[in-house]
Amino acid sequence: DTAVSQTPKYLVTQMGNDKSIKCEQNLGHDTMYWYKQDSKKFLKIMFSYNNKELIINETVPNRFSPKSPDKAHLNLHINSLELGDSAVYFCASSHRADTQYFGPGTRLTVL
Amino acid sequence: QQQVKQSPQSLIVQKGGIPIINCAYENTAFDYFPWYQQFPGKGPALLIAIRPDVSEKKEGRFTISFNKSAKQFSLHIMDSQPGDSATYFCAARHNAGNMLTFGGGTRLMVKP
Repeated sequence: DTAVSQTPKYLVTQMGNDKSIKCEQNLGHDTMYWYKQDSKKFLKIMFSYNNKELIINETVPNRFSPKSPDKAHLNLHINSLELGDSAVYFCASSHRADTQYFGPGTRLTVL
Repeated sequence: QQQVKQSPQSLIVQKGGIPIINCAYENTAFDYFPWYQQFPGKGPALLIAIRPDVSEKKEGRFTISFNKSAKQFSLHIMDSQPGDSATYFCAARHNAGNMLTFGGGTRLMVKP
């Protein structure tokens, strides 16, 4: 019973392509997040989203957009992929301001 | 601008030693300070957390010490074991939006 799951686990694609990463949580949480972890292991928040509010880290390019079809899902869409987008992307969820639970990550490689 | 500074970047201790990882923050709007543990190929998992109205919190072999006036907090791992070898991240939560700002991480190796 995976609490926070992501697909795919690995994603290899060419520069300029558009791709999506899916995230699902079965914890009944109301808030979901996307984080980016670069090659130096540095973790940075990209988005925080609940059904009322989307908070965007101002440093995130507008090529990145979160889309939530329902409360249990928050997908990450990336347009016009660039080499610098290569990283591990983590989805997380929480109930309001409580503990955030992270998914296993998606390693994106842009060639 | 890194709002949460973590040190050291890497740490090697012998089994039974007490590794200490330090973090410092600047933003007084942070209201919650968790520590996450990450094993290779896995997502970060919450280890222990503290609020600024408490100076110390202990859970098993893990202790957080918090100094509000200095805006510093640290993680101590008592009787460290090889299984504790992982990357540790301190974090701070902003009181608006529940967004976490992470420190740069500390790669800990506990030698048998």
